[in-house]
Amino acid sequence: KAGVTQTPRYLIKTRGQQVTLSCSPISGHRSVSWYQQTPGQGLQFLFEYFSETQRNKGNFPGRFSGRQFSNSRSEMNVSTLELGDSALYLCASNTGVEQFFGPGTRLTVL
Amino acid sequence: AQRVTQPEKLLSVFKGAPVELKCNYSYSGSPELFWYVQYSRQRLQLLLRHISRESIKGFTADLNKGETSFHLKKPFAQEEDSAMYYCALSPEGYGGSQGNLIFGKGTKLSVKP
Repeated sequence: KAGVTQTPRYLIKTRGQQVTLSCSPISGHRSVSWYQQTPGQGLQFLFEYFSETQRNKGNFPGRFSGRQFSNSRSEMNVSTLELGDSALYLCASNTGVEQFFGPGTRLTVL
Repeated sequence: AQRVTQPEKLLSVFKGAPVELKCNYSYSGSPELFWYVQYSRQRLQLLLRHISRESIKGFTADLNKGETSFHLKKPFAQEEDSAMYYCALSPEGYGGSQGNLIFGKGTKLSVKP
């Protein structure tokens, strides 16, 4: 099976812009999670989707949002970007037993 | 508050030496705990879950509820064990969703020849 894919892999934006990141889970997996990874805070949970419904949400401001489509693909959106949003955003495809991570999208906010 | 603490940022050992990566957690109830590993230029991947009680690549981890610890151990380290190791906890406990993990900040293990 193909692994988790994330697009784009790298992104540069300026403050105030918005960005959309995409994740395609492993075929057959219905749950997708998103994490933010920074050197200071480490890996922090953003949200989890299961069958197009948000199942869990982390402690992030409302500028961070996500959604899941009927084919299980997921997108996350960050509006009004801040410098502190620069991070590696990881998507994971979940089986209920194990999470399979994608390669991440490296977002740089200038 | 639920929390995972990995007190060592970096652990350096020689090949063949025992290794112990420490993980302490804060959780009320029956925790579901994991170790994830990231090798150089590879994706983050599951190493082991406490509930399965497996030994993976020679690593074992025992849950100690009294000390709220889940340390990762290997009796004889190999150079290929060099990687970043993350301890993680599922806040929903055993049987709940495993999709919203709380991660520690990780320990970088360096095994020298």
